Amino acid sequence: QSVLTQPPSASGTPGQRVTISCSGSSSNIGSNTVNWYQQLPGTAPKLLIYSNNQRPSGVPDRFSGSKSGTSASLAISGLQSEDEADYYCATWDDSLNGVVFGGGTKLTVL
Amino acid sequence: QLQLQESGSGLVKPSQTLSLTCAVSDGSISSGGYSWSWIRQPPGKGLEWIGFIYHSGSTYYNPSLKSRVTISVDRSKNQFSLKLSSVTAADTAVYFCARGDYYMDVWGKGTTVTVSS
Repeated sequence: QSVLTQPPSASGTPGQRVTISCSGSSSNIGSNTVNWYQQLPGTAPKLLIYSNNQRPSGVPDRFSGSKSGTSASLAISGLQSEDEADYYCATWDDSLNGVVFGGGTKLTVL
Repeated sequence: QLQLQESGSGLVKPSQTLSLTCAVSDGSISSGGYSWSWIRQPPGKGLEWIGFIYHSGSTYYNPSLKSRVTISVDRSKNQFSLKLSSVTAADTAVYFCARGDYYMDVWGKGTTVTVSS
């Protein structure tokens, strides 16, 4: 059981906007910034969003992140087939004194 | 662009020690004040943070693994390492090394470690 809760799956059609949620608590999301990773099949994770809503160089602006209270969200607009991947949220947990990941959300592009 | 490459024993016997190395190329492990992390992913499951080492040498480990984990840096070889003792089948996973601590912006491709007799 992961400290951060994500829906196991999400789906959308090309061009659509989808959101993936990440729920935590006051000791993690509530007091620290959230990061998101994209893991394409058979590959290593890639940093997608850091510090709640910052995109690393090279990440399309179709990807955006937000945080409110003890929850965070990843939004993908203009969905493309190549967005089909697993998405993980992560943050620091003050109680555990370590990095915690969500269980991951498998995004399917229909 | 900085690159990371994991290497080490792909098959480890139960109760033995898993040892992995992450070689840093196209950049220096000592520059930029970066931290260096290890993360693993059991077959068909999600990501699990193992720990990281600060530029200063201080380490932070997953509480569930802390008693068995050691992360160290060898600046002369431009690499960092992971040792996990007393392994069991539950330690079978793909192990990734990465740059960063609270977030990891450069990842290795990962190496599969199987614990089996």
